[in-house]
Amino acid sequence: DTAVSQTPKYLVTQMGNDKSIKCEQNLGHDTMYWYKQDSKKFLKIMFSYNNKELIINETVPNRFSPKSPDKAHLNLHINSLELGDSAVYFCASSQGVGDRTGELFFGEGSRLTVL
Amino acid sequence: DAKTTQPPSMDCAEGRAANLPCNHSTISGNEYVYWYRQIHSQGPQYIIHGLKNNETNEMASLIITEDRKSSTLILPHATLRDTAVYYCIVRVGNSGYALNFGKGTSLLVTP
Repeated sequence: DTAVSQTPKYLVTQMGNDKSIKCEQNLGHDTMYWYKQDSKKFLKIMFSYNNKELIINETVPNRFSPKSPDKAHLNLHINSLELGDSAVYFCASSQGVGDRTGELFFGEGSRLTVL
Repeated sequence: DAKTTQPPSMDCAEGRAANLPCNHSTISGNEYVYWYRQIHSQGPQYIIHGLKNNETNEMASLIITEDRKSSTLILPHATLRDTAVYYCIVRVGNSGYALNFGKGTSLLVTP
């Protein structure tokens, strides 16, 4: 069973559209993350949720809205897509207590291409 | 979080040990050292982490200097599948702090 799964793996869409990427983890973790990896391969944190509460919100346009219906899911909705949103988006999870909070488990990524 | 400095690229012969260095001279007392790797197009993979003591697991060993200003990740017997970008990250041990990835070291293991 996949520990952290993202859907879809590939997404091609037009500028101005709205799209969502879903993430689910079956590890029983209480913290989930969204990262963005751009064409230069820099991996940047976007959001983090702990027990469905937002705890990290980096400088990300308001067009990006994360939603965590429960501890096992963290979805990413993007409104009014722009060319610069093209990237690979990675979801991750960790157990948010103790010295292993930095041990993140990543999904395989969702490659978004905006035309 | 403390900044880290890693060489942009390294080569290693298959079967030999790969020693990947990382400088983190501004590390503070409550920051852990984490190592991750990213094999082409895949999600990053956790390797190992430590605070003060050296650590070893089934994947690698982590050697942290006594002053904690630098560390070395050791892959004892590198294989072609170890070709990846390796990231050294320092971070406070609390879920309220993000794991920030830098540029990493691109390790190429050659036959």
